[in-house]
Amino acid sequence: EAQVTQNPRYLITVTGKKLTVTCSQNMNHEYMSWYRQDPGLGLRQIYYSMNVEVTDKGDVPEGYKVSRKEKRNFPLILESPSPNQTSLYFCASSSLLADTQYFGPGTRLTVL
Amino acid sequence: QQPVQSPQAVILREGEDAVINCSSSKALYSVHWYRQKHGEAPVFLMILLKGGEQKGHEKISASFNEKKQQSSLYLTASQLSYSGTYFCGFTNAGGTSYGKLTFGQGTILTVHP
Repeated sequence: EAQVTQNPRYLITVTGKKLTVTCSQNMNHEYMSWYRQDPGLGLRQIYYSMNVEVTDKGDVPEGYKVSRKEKRNFPLILESPSPNQTSLYFCASSSLLADTQYFGPGTRLTVL
Repeated sequence: QQPVQSPQAVILREGEDAVINCSSSKALYSVHWYRQKHGEAPVFLMILLKGGEQKGHEKISASFNEKKQQSSLYLTASQLSYSGTYFCGFTNAGGTSYGKLTFGQGTILTVHP
């Protein structure tokens, strides 16, 4: 089944404790992206990747890192999480940017 | 800068029509429309590329006016299943960040029987 998976689905952590949210797709897609969703603000892009080893900042990259060493994986790294990073995070992928983006199920992160 | 969507919310009865508008202050290359139901991930509706085309998807269609930097989503003869939050997303023409997709704040659509 074609899908985008994210892990973990729920995470409660404390300020400053490094964490990684994994994202994997099995559709051989070149484009992958991370978004955060907050009430009233819609979806905001954090980082995107056009292909392996090619990443770029979205609209809200501060406090986040990404890497794209393999085509299927695009982990999101929070080196020192802060409470303002409490949010719902979505990973998405598509064959091209101008194509259907498939979203993962989301990761709800709470930073205390 | 986020696209501006209007209205912020709309309530319909089954069978009524609705229009959701989305505008940008920057030159656009493409417009993406997604729908998200409560507690779920966004789901793709359609993409319109630069060229002023109009696309249709059953009773949901959209237009893209690149001159006015606007797009509109048209929902006709609404069904209960149309309820959800609708997001438009823009990619901008020119520049180096051609992979950046910026979404609006969303329009909450509620369809009642």
